[in-house]
Amino acid sequence: QSVLTQPPSVSAAPGQKVTISCSGSSSNIGNNYVSWYQQLPGTAPKLLIYENNKRPSGIPDRFSGSKSGTSATLGITGLQTGDEADYYCGTWDSSLSALVFGGGTKLTVL
Amino acid sequence: QVQLVQSGAEVKKPGASVKVSCKASGYTFTSYGISWVRQAPGQGLEWMGWISAYNGNTNYAQKLQGRVTMTTDTSTSTAYMELRSLRSDDTAVYYCARGTGHPFDYWGQGTLVTVSS
Repeated sequence: QSVLTQPPSVSAAPGQKVTISCSGSSSNIGNNYVSWYQQLPGTAPKLLIYENNKRPSGIPDRFSGSKSGTSATLGITGLQTGDEADYYCGTWDSSLSALVFGGGTKLTVL
Repeated sequence: QVQLVQSGAEVKKPGASVKVSCKASGYTFTSYGISWVRQAPGQGLEWMGWISAYNGNTNYAQKLQGRVTMTTDTSTSTAYMELRSLRSDDTAVYYCARGTGHPFDYWGQGTLVTVSS
């Protein structure tokens, strides 16, 4: 059971927009930066968003991140079939003194 | 370009140990730490711990304390993760990643460790 809660799955049509939520508490999201990772099938995770809303070089602006209180959200616009992947949020948890990940959300582009 | 290249797949018996390597290139090794993250089949990501490549300081996940050791060899820019007293639920893909905390900006390709009698 992850301390960060994500929906197991989301889906949307090509070209549409989808959001993925990540819910935590004051010991993690509420007082720490959130990162988001994309894991395409059979590959290693890839950094998508860091410090809540910043994109590394090479990540298209179709991907965005936000944080409010103890929740964070990943947004993806202009969905493509190549976006089908598992998405994970991550942050530091000061109560656990551990780095934590959400349980992951499987995105299906219908 | 930054690369983290891990050692190959391993098959171990319960009770044995495994040591996975992660060779870094494309950056100054001692300027960043290395974290280890594992993923059991069909499951999510689990942080195992990190090591500073600068001074060797470590921070292990509580559930693995006593069974895991992370080390580095700065002469070869390689990080190692050893896991002892292997159990079937240690079967997973093990990843190294650059950094001692989020964000992990570069990841190794992963090493499958299978624990089976």
